[in-house]
Amino acid sequence: AQKVTQAQTEISVVEKEDVTLDCVYETRDTTYYLFWYKQPPSGELVFLIRRNSFDEQNEISGRYSWNFQKSTSSFNFTITASQVVDSAVYFCALRGFGNEKLTFGTGTRLTIIP
Amino acid sequence: DTGVSQDPRHKITKRGQNVTFRCDPISEHNRLYWYRQTLGQGPEFLTYFQNEAQLEKSRLLSDRFSAERPKGSFSTLEIQRTEQGDSAMYLCASRILDRQETQYFGPGTRLLVL
Repeated sequence: AQKVTQAQTEISVVEKEDVTLDCVYETRDTTYYLFWYKQPPSGELVFLIRRNSFDEQNEISGRYSWNFQKSTSSFNFTITASQVVDSAVYFCALRGFGNEKLTFGTGTRLTIIP
Repeated sequence: DTGVSQDPRHKITKRGQNVTFRCDPISEHNRLYWYRQTLGQGPEFLTYFQNEAQLEKSRLLSDRFSAERPKGSFSTLEIQRTEQGDSAMYLCASRILDRQETQYFGPGTRLLVL
């Protein structure tokens, strides 16, 4: 069975602060994919990043960065210099190789206070 | 390039009525997925198609639910004899079979059963 845990239900930070969203996963698959999606109030899930289990290189995209640590089964997401437009619910998700089903965490609601 | 589209965006119905939702995937995406998301939760997998073939169904997909993708393009999800517990956001996603391994989501159909 696969499981994704996002222990932080809600986070509020003041604009321009850095914030890290935690994601811990469980899987028996040796090859798997990890994802982060953003869900603004409109409801659409916006894809942010995919990481393959065999690629532990961390990634930076503008103000966003991701820290994948296989040893601790974590795939954390950091927003640097947060902005009000970053306010949304963020989901971490997992999919095993050869399995089409995405398993999502319960999400973290991020509020950026102007 | 247009994204995944879903219609309607919102639906209010009375208990016992039938409802049908439509999803148009990204052009040339041969895999199409349906998920359900209830308040405060992450999306849960319902079913997926490769072209017109329905390859996997979740236990969540009761006998009252049926999904089709008759020509391998758009898909419909029908709920018969709706119940209040069916109230949720129904999300459609699609992907192309390539190394990207990423599902792209539509805006969802929000269903409220009174």
